[in-house]
This record gives sequence, structure tokens and C-alpha cells, in this order.
Amino acid sequence: TQLLEQSPQFLSIQEGENLTVYCNSSSVFSSLQWYRQEPGEGPVLLVTVVTGGEVKKLKRLTFQFGDARKDSSLHITAAQPGDTGLYLCAGLGGTYKYIFGTGTRLKVLA
Amino acid sequence: GAGVSQSPRYKVTKRGQDVALRCDPISGHVSLYWYRQALGQGPEFLTYFNYEAQQDKSGLPNDRFSAERPEGSISTLTIQRTEQRDSAMYRCASSLGQGGSGELFFGEGSRLTVL
Repeated sequence: TQLLEQSPQFLSIQEGENLTVYCNSSSVFSSLQWYRQEPGEGPVLLVTVVTGGEVKKLKRLTFQFGDARKDSSLHITAAQPGDTGLYLCAGLGGTYKYIFGTGTRLKVLA
Repeated sequence: GAGVSQSPRYKVTKRGQDVALRCDPISGHVSLYWYRQALGQGPEFLTYFNYEAQQDKSGLPNDRFSAERPEGSISTLTIQRTEQRDSAMYRCASSLGQGGSGELFFGEGSRLTVL
């Protein structure tokens, strides 16, 4: 069974602080996505990483795919209240099945 | 349509009743997924369709759960003889291609409450 564990589970920080969210698995994924979900809505895609070691930047967000394609991280610089939400990683396995991580709930205080 | 549409948005039913949840994906999207999501947690995979073919149903909890997508567009997730443990948010997502790193577009979900 493919599992994706995210850490931390909860994170409450002040505006302007930096943070990193981790997504770890013992399984290899062909690609990995990060989504953000706001209350009452469905997850929305932030980024897809495909190549081991790949780094992608989206404004203040930096995403990295591990060399072995088993793990990923999301780093947010100078967090803002608008970054508040549930962050989810999702790994693509061999049968087009997207496995979602356990989730990280982020709250950024003004 | 402009986005993935799910109905009903809210369903309250009594234990033992059957329920049908509908998903209307984005027009032209080949792949369709059903997930179940507990509050504050990641979506749990239930089943996946490529056009009308159900290619993976490994996440369906038991044989009370079934899904179909007969014409490769609208899909229905049916839960027979509902139990209280079936209470959850059920989310549908569609993707343009046949898996392969495509973006998943999620509907707003159907919240099921079994009394």
C-alpha cells in the first residue's frame, strides 16, 4: 500500500515567518503534485514535479522532489494570511491512481 | 460545463437506505476519480475511470459501494444499505488525459450524513 505521510500535521505561524512542509513515502512515484484546499472547497493544484531532484518556484513557494522520487517538500517564504489552508501532496502511482498525503493544516496569523 | 459539478451537495439519510451521488466532470475530460475525505485530512482514493472503463476500484471499502460511468461522462457513486461510518465528504475529480501527471479538477463535494 502506498502511503504519503505529511509533517507537520498542524502549523500556526506569524505573518512573515518561513516554513517547510514535508511529504514522505517508502514508495517511488512517477510524479508528485501539491494542492491547497480552502474550507468548503475542493483541492486546487499548485505544482507538479516529475524529475527526481527537481525544484520549482511559484512566487514565495518553493517545491522540491526528492532524488529518489519518494519524498517532497514545500517551503513558503514570508508567509501571509492568504497562505492559510490545507496543503496536500499527491503521488502518482503506476496505475494512474493519485494517492494523497495526510495533509498539513497551515494557519498564518496577521 | 465550466467546472466539475456534484449533486446533491448535502444528503442526509437513514441507516439502511441506498444513496446515489452524481458527478458531472468537465466536458472532454477522460479521467474521473472518486475520493472520500474526512475533515482536515487528505482525500482517500475510491475508484478511477478512463472514459467508461472502471480501471481501478481498489479503494472501494466493501461491496456496498459501486460506481459507474456508462457513457464516459457523468458518473454515479452508489452506496447501498448505508451505515453511519459511511458519513463523509465524497469528492469527484476529473482530468483531461489518462492520468500521467495531469491536473485534477475537483468538484465541491457531496456531504453524506447517515443517521
